[in-house]
Amino acid sequence: EAGVAQSPRYKIIEKRQSVAFWCNPISGHATLYWYQQILGQGPKLLIQFQNNGVVDDSQLPKDRFSAERLKGVDSTLKIQPAKLEDSAVYLCASSLGQISYEQYFGPGTRLTVT
Amino acid sequence: AQSVAQPEDQVNVAEGNPLTVKCTYSVSGNPYLFWYVQYPNRGLQFLLKYITGDNLVKGSYGFEAEFNKSQTSFHLKKPSALVSDSALYFCAVRDSNSGGYQKVTFGTGTKLQVIP
Repeated sequence: EAGVAQSPRYKIIEKRQSVAFWCNPISGHATLYWYQQILGQGPKLLIQFQNNGVVDDSQLPKDRFSAERLKGVDSTLKIQPAKLEDSAVYLCASSLGQISYEQYFGPGTRLTVT
Repeated sequence: AQSVAQPEDQVNVAEGNPLTVKCTYSVSGNPYLFWYVQYPNRGLQFLLKYITGDNLVKGSYGFEAEFNKSQTSFHLKKPSALVSDSALYFCAVRDSNSGGYQKVTFGTGTKLQVIP
């Protein structure tokens, strides 16, 4: 089966610019996650969707980050405007369900903000 | 609040020797525990999980982990390390007894270096 797809793989932008990331989860996976992984740290959950509804966005900086999951499939994560501290790898993951199910991760998008 | 700790930033082991990567956790209820591996420039890959039942869990690539409730630990093990096992390993926990939604918390990761 196809894995989680993400694009782009790499992005370099200047601070105050905007950027968008795209994720296509594994077919049939109801739960979709966006994580931020800063070098040397573990993934930090930004937002979790169950189908097209938000389950948790408590750690999403809502003044600059937004995410949507249209029709319960693909998802986009947007940053506007970007700050230097947003430089990180953004990982998308999906799972069949929420509680006991393992997550399947995409390759990530490495964002550099200059 | 749930938490997970990986006390070693890096573990070095000689090829062919057994390896252990440590993980301890803290939850209010019963834990769901996961191990993931991350190779350079790639996303995380699921290795194994403990949900319930046998304390010794077997996973991908010959890895296994032992759930120890009294010590609140879930150490990752492999009898004989390969150079190709060199990667970053993450332990993760979710509280099964939250009464509702509870997100997964990841540890900070342990870099495993297998020396030829």
